[in-house]
Amino acid sequence: DQQVKQNSPSLSVQEGRISILNCDYTNSMFDYFLWYKKYPAEGPTFLISISSIKDKNEDGRFTVFLNKSAKHLSLHIVPSQPGDSAVYFCAASGNYGGSQGNLIFGKGTKLSVKP
Amino acid sequence: EPEVTQTPSHQVTQMGQEVILRCVPISNHLYFYWYRQILGQKVEFLVSFYNNEISEKSEIFDDQFSVERPDGSNFTLKIRSTKLEDSAMYFCASSSGTVGEKLFFGSGTQLSVL
Repeated sequence: DQQVKQNSPSLSVQEGRISILNCDYTNSMFDYFLWYKKYPAEGPTFLISISSIKDKNEDGRFTVFLNKSAKHLSLHIVPSQPGDSAVYFCAASGNYGGSQGNLIFGKGTKLSVKP
Repeated sequence: EPEVTQTPSHQVTQMGQEVILRCVPISNHLYFYWYRQILGQKVEFLVSFYNNEISEKSEIFDDQFSVERPDGSNFTLKIRSTKLEDSAMYFCASSSGTVGEKLFFGSGTQLSVL
C-alpha cells in the first residue's frame, strides 16, 4: 500500500542546474507534506514542508510545489550543489481517522549532483 | 542545536534474543516515534507515543514490540524475540506537536539479526 510514491529511485544533475524531485500521493486526507534529506549513516533531516492549503513554499534554494488536484508535489533545488547529493524522502501526514500525524514516507530518490 | 541521540549505533543479535534500542529525544518534545528502514526499502512508521502511552501503531508493531519511557529522558524500543526480518535501521524521532510538525530524527541503530 504505497500512499506516497517516489517513482524515480535516482536522479543525476550537473552542479548549478536545477534538480526536480517528484512525489505522488493517493490519500486525499493528507494535510501536510514534508521533504527530508538523508545522508548515509545519518537519520533523515527536515528540509522543507508545505500545508495542503498552499501551492508553493520557498526556503532559499529549495521550493516545494503542491498540486492537490493531481495529488502531486515536487521539490526544486536551484542551483544544485555537490553537497546536495543525498537521498530525498517525500513524506505526508494528516489528522484523519486514527492517525495522529505520523509521517508516511516515500521510498526516496537518490540525488547525485556532479561538479 | 538540540538533537535526538540513539544508542547503540549498531546491534548484532541472535535470532530469538531480546534487544532494547535506546533513544534520548529532544528535551522539550512531547511526541516520540520509532521508524525503521529495511535495506533498500522505505522508511516505515512503527509507533508513536504521547503522554506515556502509545497513540498509534502500525501493523508491523505486533506483540513482539513494546515501547517505554522509563524516566524523563529515555525512550526505548524492545523487541522481545527477534526474527531475521527484524534486521533494519531503526530511527527514533521526536516532535513538539502533531500534524504537520516536523520530526527530528536520530542517527539510527542498525540492528542485525543472525
